Amino acid sequence: DTGVSQNPRHKITKRGQNVTFRCDPISEHNRLYWYRQTLGQGPEFLTYFQNEAQLEKSRLLSDRFSAERPKGSFSTLEIQRTEQGDSAMYLCASSSPGGLTYFGAGTRLSVL
Amino acid sequence: AQSVSQHNHHVILSEAASLELGCNYSYGGTVNLFWYVQYPGQHLQLLLKYFSGDPLVKGIKGFEAEFIKSKFSFNLRKPSVQWSDTAEYFCAVNAGGATNKLIFGTGTLLAVQP
Repeated sequence: DTGVSQNPRHKITKRGQNVTFRCDPISEHNRLYWYRQTLGQGPEFLTYFQNEAQLEKSRLLSDRFSAERPKGSFSTLEIQRTEQGDSAMYLCASSSPGGLTYFGAGTRLSVL
Repeated sequence: AQSVSQHNHHVILSEAASLELGCNYSYGGTVNLFWYVQYPGQHLQLLLKYFSGDPLVKGIKGFEAEFIKSKFSFNLRKPSVQWSDTAEYFCAVNAGGATNKLIFGTGTLLAVQP
């Protein structure tokens, strides 16, 4: 499968714990996005990377959230001191310049 | 700020019925418009897109959408739905710029009864 890959698919954690998600984009795509989707809502943009540079962050991305793309390939999204309100599906997507955006299957986070 | 409205949150149809899902966006400039579909347990997939040209665009699985600039609308249609079309449908807009990020509507959950 050469699509966008996300791990893990599901994560259950206790409030206050840190979690990290990984995204492997389509290999030739230099643009990578993180979105969050909660029940009954469409995906909401969180942050954008072009190669290794994080060029835009949504105001939804609080200080507890950090994303990296160290070598311009895979990306990680870390949430520190998780809260119940962080429970959501976290989606990764990638594209090439001017190209279409392809989504991964997402990581579903449940904070107990 | 850009926004996308999908007015139908839940739609229930019988097989062979016609489908139209509404989508309106707010943005005064040039936009790219998309419909994505999410089948149960699967990832978001692109159904169709409009960038420019013919405002009636055809996508996969017999879906089509019409861009009406004066109404800021991009409604999705299918003449005859099948049980396998049961899914959640999302309209999205991309106003370009540096990030190419997508702004999504809240989605429409379609249930097709056999």
